[in-house]
Amino acid sequence: AQKVTQAQTEISVVEKEDVTLDCVYETRDTTYYLFWYKQPPSGELVFLIRRNSFDEQNEISGRYSWNFQKSTSSFNFTITASQVVDSAVYFCALGTGGFKTIFGAGTRLFVKA
Amino acid sequence: NAGVTQTPKFQVLKTGQSMTLQCAQDMNHEYMSWYRQDPGMGLRLIHYSVGAGITDQGEVPNGYNVSRSTTEDFPLRLLSAAPSQTSVYFCASSVQETGELFFGEGSRLTVL
Repeated sequence: AQKVTQAQTEISVVEKEDVTLDCVYETRDTTYYLFWYKQPPSGELVFLIRRNSFDEQNEISGRYSWNFQKSTSSFNFTITASQVVDSAVYFCALGTGGFKTIFGAGTRLFVKA
Repeated sequence: NAGVTQTPKFQVLKTGQSMTLQCAQDMNHEYMSWYRQDPGMGLRLIHYSVGAGITDQGEVPNGYNVSRSTTEDFPLRLLSAAPSQTSVYFCASSVQETGELFFGEGSRLTVL
């Protein structure tokens, strides 16, 4: 069965702190895709990154970085020097064949000024 | 650019009433899906479609029907609403089977 676990329900940090959001996934498929989405207080869902199971290179995009480790089935997301605008709910998701993308429960991030 | 459009944005129903949530996309995406979002449970897949005339069940399909007569439209029907269906519903589309999802703005449904 496919499963995505985001153990951190809520995280609160002060602006300029670094913060890591954890994501652990389960799948028996050898080919799969991992995603992160952001849901700001306005409610829309915004795509952040997609990573396939054959590409374990870490990725950095501005203040965002992602660490993919197949050995631990984890796909963690780090925000460096957090800002108030980063306050949102962040979802990790797992996509396998057949267009079945499943989501974790989400981590709500509060960044205080 | 419209992207994925959902209507209505808000709806209040009484138990037992029926309604249809509309979803349309103008990106010519083959893949479309419906999710519901409940506090603490993330987004759960209700139904999905890999093309016109093809639909399948997701994680929580009970109480919902879908059809896909055109590439653009993917309506979600509640035949007899129940309070347990109070939720925020998101429609999404994708250009490929495991591509990024493009979401609509969501529809907040309350069943009394």
